[in-house]
Amino acid sequence: AQTVTQSQPEMSVQEAETVTLSCTYDTSESDYYLFWYKQPPSRQMILVIRQEAYKQQNATENRFSVNFQKAAKSFSLKISDSQLGDAAMYFCAYPGYGGSQGNLIFGKGTKLSVKP
Amino acid sequence: DVKVTQSSRYLVKRTGEKVFLECVQDMDHENMFWYRQDPGLGLRLIYFSYDVKMKEKGDIPEGYSVSREKKERFSLILESASTNQTSMYLCASAMRPEETQYFGPGTRLLVL
Repeated sequence: AQTVTQSQPEMSVQEAETVTLSCTYDTSESDYYLFWYKQPPSRQMILVIRQEAYKQQNATENRFSVNFQKAAKSFSLKISDSQLGDAAMYFCAYPGYGGSQGNLIFGKGTKLSVKP
Repeated sequence: DVKVTQSSRYLVKRTGEKVFLECVQDMDHENMFWYRQDPGLGLRLIYFSYDVKMKEKGDIPEGYSVSREKKERFSLILESASTNQTSMYLCASAMRPEETQYFGPGTRLLVL
C-alpha cells in the first residue's frame, strides 16, 4: 500500500528560528513528484514546495527548502527564519499510482505553531 | 494564478436532504478532484474526473456522486445527507493528476 507518514502531529518554533518537518513515503516508482502543502487557519490549502524525484538538487522556495533522500524515501521540509504567518497545518503529499492513480496521498499533517 | 472556487464556505443541511457542492476552476485543467478532510484522518479522495463526463471513484465514494458537464465545473452530490457526512469538503484541479493540485477554499458541511 502506498503511504505517506508524518510522524510529528504538532511542532512549535520560536519566531525567526528554523524548524524541520518530517515526511516519509513508500513507493516502488522511480520518477514522481513530492509536495508540501500548507493549510492556514483560513483553510485554503496552498502549495509550499514541490520536488521532482529525478532531480538530485533539493528544491528551494525562499525560506522553504526540502531535504530529499530518495533511497531513504524521506522528504523533510525546512522553514528558515520562521514567521507568525507560517503557523498552519502542513501536509506532505505524493501522487498515487496504479490502483490509486489520480489521487494525491496525504500524510495526516503536522500542526506548526510559531511563538513570538 | 489558478483560481478554484467553491459555491459555499459553510452549509447546514438536514438528514435526508439532497446536497450539491459546486466547484469551478478557471485554468482549463483536465483533472478535478473532491476530497473530504476530517481531523486525524487527513484528506481522503471521494471522486475525481479526468475529462468532461468522465469520473473515477476514489477511496470513499459511498454516499456520494459527481457530475462534470463542463470542463470548468465539477459538482459533488450527496443524494441523501447523513450525519456522518458532516465534514470539510475540498475541491482541487490539476493539469495532470500527478502534478500540482490547486485547491479551493473548502466547504464546511454540517448535517443535522
